Amino acid sequence: EVQLVESGGGLVKPGGSLRLSCAASGFTFTSYFMIWVRQAPGKGLEWVSSISHSTSYAVYADSVKGRFTISRDNAQNSVYLQMNGLRAEDTAIYYCTTYTQRGNFDYWGQGTLVSVSS
Amino acid sequence: EIVLTQSPATLSLSPGERATLSCRASQSIGTYLVWFQQRPGQTPRLLIYSASTRATGIPARFSGSGSGTDFTLTISSLEPEDFAVYYCQQRSNWPLSFGGGTKVEFK
Repeated sequence: EVQLVESGGGLVKPGGSLRLSCAASGFTFTSYFMIWVRQAPGKGLEWVSSISHSTSYAVYADSVKGRFTISRDNAQNSVYLQMNGLRAEDTAIYYCTTYTQRGNFDYWGQGTLVSVSS
Repeated sequence: EIVLTQSPATLSLSPGERATLSCRASQSIGTYLVWFQQRPGQTPRLLIYSASTRATGIPARFSGSGSGTDFTLTISSLEPEDFAVYYCQQRSNWPLSFGGGTKVEFK
């Protein structure tokens, strides 16, 4: 059974940092890109960042570029999102998901809530 | 950046009725389009990939069509559990993008 379990969310002050983790199991982790998607309260879905199988390629939404860093540890079957310079508008549930261009292998974690407030 | 426009924003229907949801891309994306369903308080669930292929376990009442810039998700006969928000997402180019969603609500 495919499982993705996010952790690391919480309440942080503007300008602060958080590191989200996503532990994957039940599939060949090294075969897939991994992505982070977020959803602000009562809003739609927003793609945040993606990382390739080998970590050689990472891409970011303009809204987080320069502040967030995606990484993965294939030995630990985990993907991470380091979030620096957090802003109120970063408040959202952050989901870790698998990714293929066709969409034929698509699994989501339950999400972790990040709240940025003074 | 590819912009996806979903219409209508809200669809008010009754159980048993047919729902037709539209997703239009600002440039051609071939068939690199997926559809998600999100029920209140739940994680998004993949319904359709490659524009028209149902994901594993998705009932046959859900169907997707289209290519290029115009796509449609059809629910042939609404069940009570189908009242939810539906999102399209393009996977043709980075950055990935989602449509703004269509809410299917009880009439």
